[in-house]
Amino acid sequence: NAGVMQNPRHLVRRRGQEARLRCSPMKGHSHVYWYRQLPEEGLKFMVYLQKENIIDESGMPKERFSAEFPKEGPSILRIQQVVRGDSAAYFCASSPLGTGGAGNTEAFFGQGTRLTVV
Amino acid sequence: SQQGEEDPQALSIQEGENATMNCSYKTSINNLQWYRQNSGRGLVHLILIRSNEREKHSGRLRVTLDTSKKSSSLLITASRAADTASYFCARNSGNTPLVFGKGTRLSVIA
Repeated sequence: NAGVMQNPRHLVRRRGQEARLRCSPMKGHSHVYWYRQLPEEGLKFMVYLQKENIIDESGMPKERFSAEFPKEGPSILRIQQVVRGDSAAYFCASSPLGTGGAGNTEAFFGQGTRLTVV
Repeated sequence: SQQGEEDPQALSIQEGENATMNCSYKTSINNLQWYRQNSGRGLVHLILIRSNEREKHSGRLRVTLDTSKKSSSLLITASRAADTASYFCARNSGNTPLVFGKGTRLSVIA
């Protein structure tokens, strides 16, 4: 059972371009979470999706950022018109059930995508 | 901020010593989890402790939880150079995603 797969591992974009980050959750996991990490910082929650539905997007900027988790295929975090401040590591995590409440499970993380905006 | 707070922010110890990291939080929790992150890598889950549990062990790791003080601690005994990493606590409340603290950067010197 492969772990959470993120690609690309490194992504360089010029200001104004679009960035697409992909995340394939572990087999059997229907819950996906995206986090962002700045150097020497903790992880900041962005969005929580459960197959085709956005459950919580309270941490995601309203403009330029969007996320999806289609019925087939990986979850995509899309950043339009990137700016230098978007440079960060973006981590995806998955779990078989939600990480709280009745789920009460751990999350499995990918290796992250390091986005550099030049 | 909803984030938990870990302390210390950085910790440097000699190999063989014990390392203790603390985590405080503000709201009630369903569970609290500890993760490890090696430089430039993803996070690896270490231990999950539920709100009705007080202590859990896993190998050289021991986690305690005091819900009355809203705090948790992670103890690594007999540390090794390979334990050098950042350690994060993450709290879960209700059906919300995990909320991470800023982490403790542990350096174990051989």
